[in-house]
Amino acid sequence: DAGVTQSPTHLIKTRGQQVTLRCSPKSGHDTVSWYQQALGQGPQFIFQYYEEEERQRGNFPDRFSGHQFPNYSSELNVNALLLGDSALYLCASSPLRTKQETQYFGPGTRLLVL
Amino acid sequence: TQLLEQSPQFLSIQEGENLTVYCNSSSVFSSLQWYRQEPGEGPVLLVTVVTGGEVKKLKRLTFQFGDARKDSSLHITAAQPGDTGLYLCAGRNLHGSSNTGKLIFGQGTTLQVKP
Repeated sequence: DAGVTQSPTHLIKTRGQQVTLRCSPKSGHDTVSWYQQALGQGPQFIFQYYEEEERQRGNFPDRFSGHQFPNYSSELNVNALLLGDSALYLCASSPLRTKQETQYFGPGTRLLVL
Repeated sequence: TQLLEQSPQFLSIQEGENLTVYCNSSSVFSSLQWYRQEPGEGPVLLVTVVTGGEVKKLKRLTFQFGDARKDSSLHITAAQPGDTGLYLCAGRNLHGSSNTGKLIFGQGTTLQVKP
């Protein structure tokens, strides 16, 4: 049973560029959440997708956008990258329909903005 | 804004010692989860506590949820080098829409256990 997978594992971009990160949820899960984790900090909630729609959003600017596909996989897009966007981006999935609260995290994508 | 404060932020102890990590908030959470994260990896769930006053044990780890569901603690007995890592508590928003899954994380406690 494959867990949550994310790609790429590492990414280096320059300021002003755009980036797309990808996530495949755990088998049987239909809800995907994205988190940003700065070095030495706890993860911060960006947004959550269910039924291909953004259902809840954290305190992040519109430069952060996402998408969920019919197969439940998801993308996180960040436009006009800033140095402060350098972080570990985590994807977590959960089975919303069964109302289980447990979220399973992927290994993350390490983004470095130069 | 709901916040979770963890203490201490850093802990370096010798193998065999006991330790307690605290997670406190002024807000009520419907549940609280503890995760452990190793470098280069995502957080791995250790336990979920739901009921006020609940105590759960996982081998040498004991987790407690406060009676008012505002705080939690993690106690490790006879720590081992393999316990080294970042420990995160995360609360689930009580008043969010049903099962939206938004987790509010503490800033984490970095534990180093020296052999």
